[in-house]
Amino acid sequence: DQQVKQNSPSLSVQEGRISILNCDYTNSMFDYFLWYKKYPAEGPTFLISISSIKDKNEDGRFTVFLNKSAKHLSLHIVPSQPGDSAVYFCAASLTNNAGNMLTFGGGTRLMVKP
Amino acid sequence: EAGVAQSPRYKIIEKRQSVAFWCNPISGHATLYWYQQILGQGPKLLIQFQNNGVVDDSQLPKDRFSAERLKGVDSTLKIQPAKLEDSAVYLCASSYPGQGDYGYTFGSGTRLTVV
Repeated sequence: DQQVKQNSPSLSVQEGRISILNCDYTNSMFDYFLWYKKYPAEGPTFLISISSIKDKNEDGRFTVFLNKSAKHLSLHIVPSQPGDSAVYFCAASLTNNAGNMLTFGGGTRLMVKP
Repeated sequence: EAGVAQSPRYKIIEKRQSVAFWCNPISGHATLYWYQQILGQGPKLLIQFQNNGVVDDSQLPKDRFSAERLKGVDSTLKIQPAKLEDSAVYLCASSYPGQGDYGYTFGSGTRLTVV
């Protein structure tokens, strides 16, 4: 039972253009959604998050959009840079008193061509 | 601030052998997590600790996996006996309690290969 899904395993974009990464979820109890970036041989690095009560959060070149009725979120990167090439994971959070338990999607490999 | 430290970085064992992984979280972080990432998949939560107590271990295969955090700081994850399907990267992460929107910090992981 995959509660968080990233349906595109890979995405190729030209430098300077917009990258859009998508994610779908099924559990309406998730309270936060996060995006992580992962380079080979490193752990995932937190990128940006959004609360389930918001529909947009922006941080520099990165914007996350949340559509609760569709149970869908997306990450926009504008403009895309070659250094953005990595695997991007969408994660959904259930917060408890101790922290938050994350359920990850399968990842999307982004390649930004110079 | 020093990050989450994990060792070893790589481990190759034969099936039915046992193996242990070590994690040292960021200083002051009461909450510690172990995740398993199989190649081509996203990380999957195995266990969550707060200090030295288990908060959630519902996805830990308890017939072969065990984890402890005896003094509320370092943690050890053990597999005994290992199976071929345990080949994965084992990631440790830590955070302050109650953080919802804060993406917690992962270590670089231990890559386990079971042959």
